[in-house]
Amino acid sequence: DAGVIQSPRHEVTEMGQEVTLRCKPISGHDYLFWYRQTMMRGLELLIYFNNNVPIDDSGMPEDRFSAKMPNASFSTLKIQPSEPRDSAVYFCASSLRGARAAFFGQGTRLTVV
Amino acid sequence: AQTVTQSQPEMSVQEAETVTLSCTYDTSENNYYLFWYKQPPSRQMILVIRQEAYKQQNATENRFSVNFQKAAKSFSLKISDSQLGDTAMYFCAFGAGNTGKLIFGQGTTLQVKP
Repeated sequence: DAGVIQSPRHEVTEMGQEVTLRCKPISGHDYLFWYRQTMMRGLELLIYFNNNVPIDDSGMPEDRFSAKMPNASFSTLKIQPSEPRDSAVYFCASSLRGARAAFFGQGTRLTVV
Repeated sequence: AQTVTQSQPEMSVQEAETVTLSCTYDTSENNYYLFWYKQPPSRQMILVIRQEAYKQQNATENRFSVNFQKAAKSFSLKISDSQLGDTAMYFCAFGAGNTGKLIFGQGTTLQVKP
């Protein structure tokens, strides 16, 4: 298996623009997680899905953030409008039957200028 | 709510020596899993070792082993025969068996010195 695939690897955008991060989980995994990593706050869980259904989005910082999982093989995290404080590394991870080991993608480094 | 605490922001060890990274957690769950992840400068998150809470035996993966103390809610990672390639940030993580939610600690930066 190719592992969790995230795109893009790097994204630089201007404040106010819409940003969409993409994730393809490992085939057969039923949990998908979106994390944000910053120096100040460490690794934060933003939202996670089980069988394509959002289970807990309490970590989503603001209404500017939204996530979808239209099918078992694809998820997006959208920020609209983006702000400089959104600059971070965003990770997608997937796991099988929850609370087993989560496997991470390479992350997307987002820079908002 | 579950929390995971890593009280050592930074540690260093000489090559070939042994080092122990600490982690404590808080939960009211009985069914859960604990993990250690490694994040080298490449930023890839790599699973190092996993422990099921219902197992009394401590998990071991080659040079990596854990000391799981369920009553104390402690989950430390021991790295034996440290290698330069072990230099990385290490994260302790808690996974609730019922919800599937994974929570990470703040991380410990480990420097292995030649």
